Amino acid sequence: GNSVTQMEGPVTLSEEAFLTINCTYTATGYPSLFWYVQYPGEGLQLLLKATKADDKGSNKGFEATYRKETTSFHLEKGSVQVSDSAVYFCALSDLGAAGNKLTFGGGTRVLVKP
Amino acid sequence: DVKVTQSSRYLVKRTGEKVFLECVQDMDHENMFWYRQDPGLGLRLIYFSYDVKMKEKGDIPEGYSVSREKKERFSLILESASTNQTSMYLCASSLPGQTYEQYFGPGTRLTVT
Repeated sequence: GNSVTQMEGPVTLSEEAFLTINCTYTATGYPSLFWYVQYPGEGLQLLLKATKADDKGSNKGFEATYRKETTSFHLEKGSVQVSDSAVYFCALSDLGAAGNKLTFGGGTRVLVKP
Repeated sequence: DVKVTQSSRYLVKRTGEKVFLECVQDMDHENMFWYRQDPGLGLRLIYFSYDVKMKEKGDIPEGYSVSREKKERFSLILESASTNQTSMYLCASSLPGQTYEQYFGPGTRLTVT
C-alpha cells in the first residue's frame, strides 16, 4: 500500500534560517504529492502540490520538487519567519486508486524563534 | 470564504458513552472526510462520503460510524467511547475529482476518561 515518511520533529530554527523537511514515499501507482500546513489552533491547509515527476510546487516562499528516482518530495524555504511555526504534513494521492484518498505522513513540527 | 466548522473544539466524555461529532461545510462540496490525528501517526482516515447517504470505510473505521443525511453535514459517531479513542478529530471536504485539495475544520480534541 501507499505510505509517506517524514523526518521527525520538532525542528527548531532561528528566524532567517534555511528550512528543509525531508519526505519520502512509497506508492503503487503514479501519485501526486502535496504539502499541507497546520498553524496553531487551525485545521490543515494545502501549501503546495506537484502532480508529476520533476514538477516543482511553490507557495509562500516554500518549494518542493517531485523526485521520482529517489521517491522524495522535500520541503524547503530559504529564510523562515516566526509566522512559519506550524506542523507540516507531506501527503500523496494516488489518482488511479479507488476513492482517491490522501495518505499523510506523521507531520513535522517546526518552531521558529526570533 | 471557504469554511468547515466542527461542533466543538474540546470534548470530554466517559467510557461507554455515545459520542456525536458534527461537521458542517458551506462550500457545496460532495466529498467529506473524517480523520483522527495522533502524534507521530499523522492523519488517518476513518470514513469518507462522496454523496448524501453514501459512505466508505477508511483505514481505521473500527469503533466508528458516520451519517450523512444532508450534503453540508457529516457526523462521526462513537457508539461506545473508549479511552483509545482519545484523539484530535478533523473533518474535511473537497470537490469531486479534487480530493487532494481538502478543506479542513479546526478539529475537535476528544478526551475519553
